[in-house]
Amino acid sequence: DAGVIQSPRHEVTEMGQEVTLRCKPISGHNSLFWYRQTMMRGLELLIYFNNNVPIDDSGMPEDRFSAKMPNASFSTLKIQPSEPRDSAVYFCASRYRDLGTEAFFGQGTRLTVV
Amino acid sequence: QKEVEQNSGPLSVPEGAIASLNCTYSDRGSQSFFWYRQYSGKSPELIMFIYSNGDKEDGRFTAQLNKASQYVSLLIRDSQPSDSATYLCAVPLGYSTLTFGKGTMLLVSP
Repeated sequence: DAGVIQSPRHEVTEMGQEVTLRCKPISGHNSLFWYRQTMMRGLELLIYFNNNVPIDDSGMPEDRFSAKMPNASFSTLKIQPSEPRDSAVYFCASRYRDLGTEAFFGQGTRLTVV
Repeated sequence: QKEVEQNSGPLSVPEGAIASLNCTYSDRGSQSFFWYRQYSGKSPELIMFIYSNGDKEDGRFTAQLNKASQYVSLLIRDSQPSDSATYLCAVPLGYSTLTFGKGTMLLVSP
Protein backbone atom coordinates (compact mmCIF):
# COMPACT_ATOMS: atom_id res chain seq x y z
CA ASP A 1 0.00 0.00 0.00
CA ALA A 2 1.25 3.51 -0.77
CA GLY A 3 0.25 4.79 2.64
CA VAL A 4 -1.95 7.76 3.39
CA ILE A 5 -1.90 10.11 0.41
CA GLN A 6 -2.53 13.81 0.78
CA SER A 7 -2.78 16.49 -1.86
CA PRO A 8 -1.60 19.03 -2.53
CA ARG A 9 1.72 18.91 -0.68
CA HIS A 10 1.97 22.68 -0.68
CA GLU A 11 -0.69 25.32 -1.11
CA VAL A 12 -0.27 29.06 -1.18
CA THR A 13 -3.44 31.08 -1.38
CA GLU A 14 -4.67 34.58 -0.78
CA MET A 15 -6.76 35.51 2.20
CA GLY A 16 -10.44 35.04 1.50
CA GLN A 17 -10.00 32.22 -0.99
CA GLU A 18 -11.42 28.74 -0.59
CA VAL A 19 -8.93 25.96 0.10
CA THR A 20 -9.62 22.24 -0.23
CA LEU A 21 -7.24 19.64 1.13
CA ARG A 22 -7.60 16.02 0.11
CA CYS A 23 -6.80 12.70 1.72
CA LYS A 24 -6.86 9.08 0.62
CA PRO A 25 -6.54 6.77 3.65
CA ILE A 26 -4.92 3.36 3.62
CA SER A 27 -7.27 0.79 2.14
CA GLY A 28 -9.13 -1.13 4.83
CA HIS A 29 -8.64 1.47 7.54
CA ASN A 30 -11.91 2.57 9.08
CA SER A 31 -10.75 5.55 11.15
CA LEU A 32 -9.59 8.84 9.67
CA PHE A 33 -8.23 11.91 11.42
CA TRP A 34 -7.41 15.45 10.35
CA TYR A 35 -4.75 17.24 12.39
CA ARG A 36 -3.25 20.71 12.19
CA GLN A 37 0.31 21.44 13.30
CA THR A 38 1.83 24.82 14.14
CA MET A 39 4.84 25.82 16.19
CA MET A 40 2.67 27.61 18.72
CA ARG A 41 -0.05 25.01 19.25
CA GLY A 42 1.62 21.77 18.25
CA LEU A 43 -0.40 18.95 16.72
CA GLU A 44 -4.13 19.47 17.18
CA LEU A 45 -6.93 17.10 16.29
CA LEU A 46 -9.51 18.80 14.09
CA ILE A 47 -11.94 15.99 13.31
CA TYR A 48 -12.25 12.22 13.55
CA PHE A 49 -14.26 9.94 11.26
CA ASN A 50 -15.17 6.33 11.93
CA ASN A 51 -16.63 4.31 9.07
CA ASN A 52 -17.04 7.56 7.11
CA VAL A 53 -19.13 9.17 9.87
CA PRO A 54 -17.86 12.25 11.73
CA ILE A 55 -17.57 11.23 15.38
CA ASP A 56 -15.76 14.16 16.97
CA ASP A 57 -15.45 17.56 15.33
CA SER A 58 -14.88 19.52 18.53
CA GLY A 59 -11.44 20.53 17.32
CA MET A 60 -12.70 22.28 14.20
CA PRO A 61 -11.81 25.91 14.96
CA GLU A 62 -14.86 27.61 13.50
CA ASP A 63 -17.52 27.50 10.83
CA ARG A 64 -15.02 28.37 8.14
CA PHE A 65 -13.74 24.80 8.43
CA SER A 66 -15.65 21.81 7.14
CA ALA A 67 -14.72 18.19 6.49
CA LYS A 68 -16.38 15.41 4.55
CA MET A 69 -15.80 11.74 3.96
CA PRO A 70 -18.12 10.67 1.13
CA ASN A 71 -16.65 7.16 1.00
CA ALA A 72 -14.05 4.97 2.67
CA SER A 73 -11.27 6.05 0.32
CA PHE A 74 -11.55 9.81 0.27
CA SER A 75 -11.86 12.78 2.61
CA THR A 76 -11.65 16.53 2.21
CA LEU A 77 -10.99 19.41 4.56
CA LYS A 78 -12.25 22.74 3.29
CA ILE A 79 -11.51 26.23 4.57
CA GLN A 80 -13.74 29.01 3.30
CA PRO A 81 -12.79 31.82 3.53
CA SER A 82 -9.17 31.26 4.41
CA GLU A 83 -7.25 33.58 6.75
CA PRO A 84 -3.53 34.04 7.43
CA ARG A 85 -3.90 32.38 10.86
CA ASP A 86 -4.92 29.19 9.09
CA SER A 87 -1.35 28.81 7.84
CA ALA A 88 -0.10 25.47 9.15
CA VAL A 89 0.72 21.92 8.14
CA TYR A 90 -2.41 19.81 7.88
CA PHE A 91 -2.04 16.08 8.38
CA CYS A 92 -4.45 13.32 7.58
CA ALA A 93 -4.04 10.00 9.40
CA SER A 94 -5.82 6.67 9.21
CA ARG A 95 -6.02 3.67 11.47
CA TYR A 96 -7.26 0.12 11.04
CA ARG A 97 -9.40 -0.21 14.13
CA ASP A 98 -9.10 0.87 17.71
CA LEU A 99 -6.69 2.91 19.73
CA GLY A 100 -4.33 0.00 20.21
CA THR A 101 -3.41 -0.07 16.55
CA GLU A 102 -1.08 2.38 14.90
CA ALA A 103 -2.35 5.49 13.16
CA PHE A 104 -0.42 6.21 9.97
CA PHE A 105 0.05 9.81 8.93
CA GLY A 106 0.16 11.23 5.45
CA GLN A 107 2.98 13.53 4.41
CA GLY A 108 0.92 16.60 5.16
CA THR A 109 -0.15 19.69 3.27
CA ARG A 110 1.72 22.88 4.07
CA LEU A 111 -0.81 25.70 3.74
CA THR A 112 0.27 29.31 3.52
CA VAL A 113 -2.40 32.00 3.44
CA VAL A 114 -1.07 35.43 2.47
CA GLN B 1 -9.20 18.90 28.01
CA LYS B 2 -6.36 16.56 28.84
CA GLU B 3 -2.95 18.21 28.86
CA VAL B 4 0.34 16.74 27.85
CA GLU B 5 3.47 18.71 28.67
CA GLN B 6 6.90 18.33 27.19
CA ASN B 7 10.04 20.42 27.33
CA SER B 8 10.48 21.88 23.85
CA GLY B 9 14.27 21.54 23.98
CA PRO B 10 16.42 21.25 22.09
CA LEU B 11 17.98 18.43 24.04
CA SER B 12 21.54 18.03 22.83
CA VAL B 13 23.48 14.81 23.43
CA PRO B 14 26.68 13.44 21.92
CA GLU B 15 26.64 10.36 19.76
CA GLY B 16 26.61 7.19 21.85
CA ALA B 17 25.06 8.81 24.91
CA ILE B 18 21.66 8.10 26.44
CA ALA B 19 18.96 10.60 25.56
CA SER B 20 16.14 10.98 28.09
CA LEU B 21 12.89 12.57 26.99
CA ASN B 22 10.15 13.31 29.48
CA CYS B 23 6.42 13.90 29.34
CA THR B 24 3.89 14.74 32.04
CA TYR B 25 0.14 14.43 31.73
CA SER B 26 -2.78 15.86 33.64
CA ASP B 27 -5.35 13.06 33.60
CA ARG B 28 -4.76 10.44 36.27
CA GLY B 29 -7.15 8.16 34.43
CA SER B 30 -4.93 7.87 31.35
CA GLN B 31 -4.10 4.23 30.73
CA SER B 32 -1.90 4.23 27.66
CA PHE B 33 0.84 6.42 26.27
CA PHE B 34 2.37 6.78 22.87
CA TRP B 35 5.69 8.11 21.60
CA TYR B 36 5.92 9.43 18.05
CA ARG B 37 9.04 10.59 16.23
CA GLN B 38 8.86 13.38 13.68
CA TYR B 39 11.77 14.28 11.45
CA SER B 40 11.94 17.85 10.22
CA GLY B 41 9.50 18.37 7.39
CA LYS B 42 8.06 14.87 7.73
CA SER B 43 5.03 13.31 9.33
CA PRO B 44 4.89 11.72 12.80
CA GLU B 45 5.53 8.01 13.06
CA LEU B 46 4.79 5.74 16.02
CA ILE B 47 7.85 4.31 17.73
CA MET B 48 6.47 2.93 21.00
CA PHE B 49 3.43 2.68 23.21
CA ILE B 50 3.14 1.60 26.83
CA TYR B 51 0.17 0.59 28.97
CA SER B 52 1.59 -0.64 32.23
CA ASN B 53 3.69 0.87 34.97
CA GLY B 54 7.36 0.14 34.60
CA ASP B 55 9.58 -0.20 31.57
CA LYS B 56 9.04 -1.40 28.04
CA GLU B 57 12.05 -2.01 25.84
CA ASP B 58 12.28 -2.16 22.06
CA GLY B 59 15.80 -2.23 20.70
CA ARG B 60 17.58 0.98 21.71
CA PHE B 61 14.34 2.52 22.95
CA THR B 62 12.89 2.15 26.45
CA ALA B 63 9.62 3.70 27.55
CA GLN B 64 9.14 4.22 31.28
CA LEU B 65 5.77 4.87 32.86
CA ASN B 66 5.11 6.12 36.37
CA LYS B 67 1.38 6.57 36.85
CA ALA B 68 1.68 7.75 40.46
CA SER B 69 3.84 10.66 39.37
CA GLN B 70 2.01 11.09 36.06
CA TYR B 71 5.03 11.04 33.83
CA VAL B 72 6.27 8.91 31.00
CA SER B 73 9.80 8.90 29.65
CA LEU B 74 11.55 7.71 26.54
CA LEU B 75 15.17 6.65 26.78
CA ILE B 76 17.27 6.25 23.67
CA ARG B 77 20.47 4.32 24.27
CA ASP B 78 23.54 4.67 22.07
CA SER B 79 22.07 7.78 20.45
CA GLN B 80 22.84 8.23 16.77
CA PRO B 81 22.75 11.39 14.63
CA SER B 82 19.86 9.74 12.77
CA ASP B 83 17.84 9.95 16.02
CA SER B 84 17.82 13.74 15.72
CA ALA B 85 14.14 14.58 15.47
CA THR B 86 11.21 15.89 17.49
CA TYR B 87 9.65 13.35 19.83
CA LEU B 88 5.94 13.70 20.54
CA CYS B 89 4.23 12.20 23.56
CA ALA B 90 0.52 11.37 23.16
CA VAL B 91 -2.24 10.17 25.47
CA PRO B 92 -5.75 9.02 24.61
CA LEU B 93 -8.54 11.55 24.47
CA GLY B 94 -11.63 9.44 24.96
CA TYR B 95 -11.63 5.96 23.44
CA SER B 96 -10.47 6.63 19.95
CA THR B 97 -8.27 9.68 19.55
CA LEU B 98 -4.97 11.00 20.87
CA THR B 99 -3.92 14.35 22.27
CA PHE B 100 -0.30 15.25 21.61
CA GLY B 101 2.30 17.23 23.48
CA LYS B 102 4.18 19.88 21.52
CA GLY B 103 7.23 17.69 21.34
CA THR B 104 10.88 17.77 22.39
CA MET B 105 13.55 18.37 19.79
CA LEU B 106 16.52 16.03 20.13
CA LEU B 107 19.87 16.84 18.57
CA VAL B 108 22.54 14.13 18.51
CA SER B 109 25.96 15.44 17.57
CA PRO B 110 28.55 13.20 15.92
